[in-house]
Amino acid sequence: GAVVSQHPSWVICKSGTSVKIECRSLDFQATTMFWYRQFPKQSLMLMATSNEGSKATYEQGVEKDKFLINHASLTLSTLTVTSAHPEDSSFYICSARGVTGGHGYTFGSGTRLTIV
Amino acid sequence: AQSVTQLDSHVSVSEGTPVLLRCNYSSSYSPSLFWYVQHPNKGLQLLLKYTSAATLVKGINGFEAEFKKSETSFHLTKPSAHMSDAAEYFCVVSSNDYKLSFGAGTTVTVRA
Repeated sequence: GAVVSQHPSWVICKSGTSVKIECRSLDFQATTMFWYRQFPKQSLMLMATSNEGSKATYEQGVEKDKFLINHASLTLSTLTVTSAHPEDSSFYICSARGVTGGHGYTFGSGTRLTIV
Repeated sequence: AQSVTQLDSHVSVSEGTPVLLRCNYSSSYSPSLFWYVQHPNKGLQLLLKYTSAATLVKGINGFEAEFKKSETSFHLTKPSAHMSDAAEYFCVVSSNDYKLSFGAGTTVTVRA
């Protein structure tokens, strides 16, 4: 079945640093990648949608300069949290949709980001 | 626009008894609907999906859901709960631009 590999699974960073999260579709081409944020005991909130080779579309209230998304190839999308602060600590999950949509939506295993 | 309402934030069942997780949706067109399960600090696993085919959808691990257009519902059921079913469950609807809208989630606990 379709697999999305997300790395790292957890990361602890100092305040003010930047951290990059990667999502790779291992056995299919992901034309669209979605990035979500999930606070404890809450649902997933869509942050942005990226299509391969074009700029990401951010949801209202999401700072595009803080959360940089790159989708340079059909198998790789990255989310970089720039100048991270403790309030950016959260669980981040990516989801990929394939070329034909036949794979539906495949989710990564998530990244627990903690800023200290 | 589309949205999802999960009617129960928490469901507690005894092992071996049925599980019912309720979900209502609103959509301006024929939706695709999904149920996902999430174990602590893990990603989401697809249980089943409805995409305008059969209204009774069978998924993995004994789960099934019935799409009822007249009631705008997509409730998830399982006849006999296992301890391993303890997790967070999300009802999800997709839009025509492929964005997913998540319900608030239902936490399932299973008592031995």
